[in-house]
Amino acid sequence: DSGVTQTPKHLITATGQRVTLRCSPRSGDLSVYWYQQSLDQGLQFLIQYYNGEERAKGNILERFSAQQFPDLHSELNLSSLELGDSALYFCASSVEPPGPPEEPQHFGDGTRLSIL
Amino acid sequence: EDQVTQSPEALRLQEGESSSLNCSYTVSGLRGLFWYRQDPGKGPEFLFTLYSAGEEKEKERLKATLTKKESFLHITAPKPEDSATYLCAVRPAGSARQLTFGSGTQLTVLP
Repeated sequence: DSGVTQTPKHLITATGQRVTLRCSPRSGDLSVYWYQQSLDQGLQFLIQYYNGEERAKGNILERFSAQQFPDLHSELNLSSLELGDSALYFCASSVEPPGPPEEPQHFGDGTRLSIL
Repeated sequence: EDQVTQSPEALRLQEGESSSLNCSYTVSGLRGLFWYRQDPGKGPEFLFTLYSAGEEKEKERLKATLTKKESFLHITAPKPEDSATYLCAVRPAGSARQLTFGSGTQLTVLP
């Protein structure tokens, strides 16, 4: 058990809809990362939050947004859903020391999103 | 642009048959190379972090090594429970700490 909790485990919805995925990081971790895993793209970084503030953006569509709350849990919002958004969405968290050594990211078990 | 290439894509071994998985990378200053294991329906599980060329780390039947251009994950006398997808990821230098992942090697160990 990595200590990172993601809900829901499965989500089935239709095109055009909006969904919210939730992530609770490991106790003490200030950084939260969101990744998308699809069969043809592998694991792709979407966005990172650190202690409530956006730190880095990757290949995240404008239809997607995220936030991190004061209790450090994070939500990923996906809107105007398309068939191609079907994928596994993972959340990871880590401690971020000011310098080396690098701390690993610990992943939750993901949310499987299916768009019909 | 940071790139990670893993080979082979898939590997089938007999129980006890040792082998190696390869991870080649191109990155602008390496701050860390990470190996993860992923089981079906689960998130990636952290195995090792390597920081500099020449470094080696071991855990049970797994040993990870690092050079300036690639990393190897050596599996000695594997067991069926070692079957999983093994992912390699790099973190480049700079303030951003996101990982760039390879596409993984799907390992199957037959009894």
